[in-house]
Amino acid sequence: DIQMTQSPSFLSASVGDRVTINCKASQNINKYLNWYQQKLGEAPKRLIYNTNNLQTGIPSRFSGSGSGTDYTLTISSLQPEDFATYFCLQHNSFLTFGSGTKLEIK
Amino acid sequence: EVQLVESGGGLVQPGRSMKLSCAASGFTFSNYGMAWVRQAPTKGLEWVATISYDGSSTYYRDSVKGRFTISRDNAKSTLYLQMNSLRSEDTATYYCTRGGPDYWGQGVMVTVSS
Repeated sequence: DIQMTQSPSFLSASVGDRVTINCKASQNINKYLNWYQQKLGEAPKRLIYNTNNLQTGIPSRFSGSGSGTDYTLTISSLQPEDFATYFCLQHNSFLTFGSGTKLEIK
Repeated sequence: EVQLVESGGGLVQPGRSMKLSCAASGFTFSNYGMAWVRQAPTKGLEWVATISYDGSSTYYRDSVKGRFTISRDNAKSTLYLQMNSLRSEDTATYYCTRGGPDYWGQGVMVTVSS
């Protein structure tokens, strides 16, 4: 089974900051890596699919990169509505989720 | 607008059964593989089961194999999860998801407790 290691678990940042969240797979996942945002009490929302494709309707301040086993979500300039939990998902072989990153206001 | 609406959750005793449903709308249900994903309280997300677009193929995580059955009725645009021999560790919010997954339902809570 593919394992996903996500870091950091918690991130404290300010509006306007640039932040990055990382996911490392236990084996090559061929860029089959998605990023999601989840707010309390809401369904997860897909932000990025297949490493670097922006979901329709998602602001361009969100971007993704990576290959092989290492992947990154970048938010270029944090907005108030971005404070939430983010997680990655590999779908190269079944589905495995990262443990999540809680992004909090500093 | 794509909508996935789960139902059928609640409190159930260990060893008993429960069936979840997910009513889909806003897209051609029969064109998409579907999956169930769960999240235990204060824990991360965990894939449970996947079914192909036509129901011919199903896949399960090891801990639910032989106890859970994923199925679908394309005529009714509905996904199901039959859960038997429930255990306390199955306590979670269960989400219905489409495809990649791209869309998720709001989730339904299942609590397994005596």
